[in-house]
Amino acid sequence: DAGVTQSPTHLIKTRGQHVTLRCSPISGHKSVSWYQQVLGQGPQFIFQYYEKEERGRGNFPDRFSARQFPNYSSELNVNALLLGDSALYLCASRLQGVGYTFGSGTRLTVV
Amino acid sequence: DAKTTQPPSMDCAEGRAANLPCNHSTISGNEYVYWYRQIHSQGPQYIIHGLKNNETNEMASLIITEDRKSSTLILPHATLRDTAVYYCIVRVAISNFGNEKLTFGTGTRLTIIP
Repeated sequence: DAGVTQSPTHLIKTRGQHVTLRCSPISGHKSVSWYQQVLGQGPQFIFQYYEKEERGRGNFPDRFSARQFPNYSSELNVNALLLGDSALYLCASRLQGVGYTFGSGTRLTVV
Repeated sequence: DAKTTQPPSMDCAEGRAANLPCNHSTISGNEYVYWYRQIHSQGPQYIIHGLKNNETNEMASLIITEDRKSSTLILPHATLRDTAVYYCIVRVAISNFGNEKLTFGTGTRLTIIP
């Protein structure tokens, strides 16, 4: 079975640009969450979506946005990139009653 | 969610049991203890969770003290592939697809030594 897939795996962007990261949850998983992990720290919660509705938002600026599609895949968008946005971005999906399954992440470098 | 405290690092000999402690003295009655681990450059992996009874699955055992203020994750026969950062998280049960935020700390870096 395919796990949570994220694309791209790596990318480099310039300050001020925007970026779109994509996530495909495990088949049948309707809840998707996004996390940011900077080097040396634990993941920090950004968003959670269920049935295309935002169910939770972390302490991130409005430059960060997300959405979920009818097939339960999701996109994370970040506008006006800053050097501090360089991080590993993780997507996780869940089936009710069990723990989250995380993808391997997208490594974003802002230069 | 209640705050958790874990040692920053631990070593364990290969083949021995690895015992990872976690303090959560402010845990509430409806909060569960979850454990995840993160192997270098991968996403976190769910290990186990529990409320008050000890739990065991194919990966590990979770021992929660009677007062629920601390817990221990036990990897019974550690292998080199168990080298990872282990996170202890306390939160209310994840259900009904409400706000499912997981609050990760900095975890314990476990190194298995050959």
